[in-house]
Amino acid sequence: SQTIHQWPATLVQPVGSPLSLECTVEGTSNPNLYWYRQAAGRGLQLLFYSVGIGQISSEVPQNLSASRPQDRQFILSSKKLLLSDSGFYLCAWSLDSFSEQFFGPGTRLTVL
Amino acid sequence: AQSVTQLGSHVSVSEGALVLLRCNYSSSVPPYLFWYVQYPNQGLQLLLKYTSAATLVKGINGFEAEFKKSETSFHLTKPSAHMSDAAEYFCAVTPVGDDKIIFGKGTRLHILP
Repeated sequence: SQTIHQWPATLVQPVGSPLSLECTVEGTSNPNLYWYRQAAGRGLQLLFYSVGIGQISSEVPQNLSASRPQDRQFILSSKKLLLSDSGFYLCAWSLDSFSEQFFGPGTRLTVL
Repeated sequence: AQSVTQLGSHVSVSEGALVLLRCNYSSSVPPYLFWYVQYPNQGLQLLLKYTSAATLVKGINGFEAEFKKSETSFHLTKPSAHMSDAAEYFCAVTPVGDDKIIFGKGTRLHILP
């Protein structure tokens, strides 16, 4: 069966520090991968998605970036965090564009 | 651009009462439609999905949704609310030919004892 992992579960970082959140999927090959952010009262915002290794589509211009170094690994990064980067970050995967997405447990990021 | 509208950011129902969460989409071609549920501090979990096989879709935990093309709606219902249904619910649509899902802003369901 397929599983999706995210870490860390919680993170407290100072403004201006770097960020690296990792997401890995097991039990499937060549999945579509997604990064979302939930800020308080603002719903689910798609940040990046990837349909293959090295293929990243950005939905929102900001100081975040994403990379897919391996088929089942998706990394969200920032060189310098802003206060507005605080939120709940969710990684998800799907078999293709028409299938349901399966979500990881999320990372709660607080930038102070 | 495609969009999903969920009416009501908060909905309260009494335990045992009917649950109705509204979702409307904008698309000239019937898309793929989903309902997800999110419990506090967790990821989203699929409740049900519509992929044109049947207009009435049954999901987990007693929920169901009916696709109405004429109304461009995909409302979520459950005949009798349970305290464990308290969560946030997201309607989502994948436009035909697109690579990503568009989520609504979510509706937080409160169950009153």
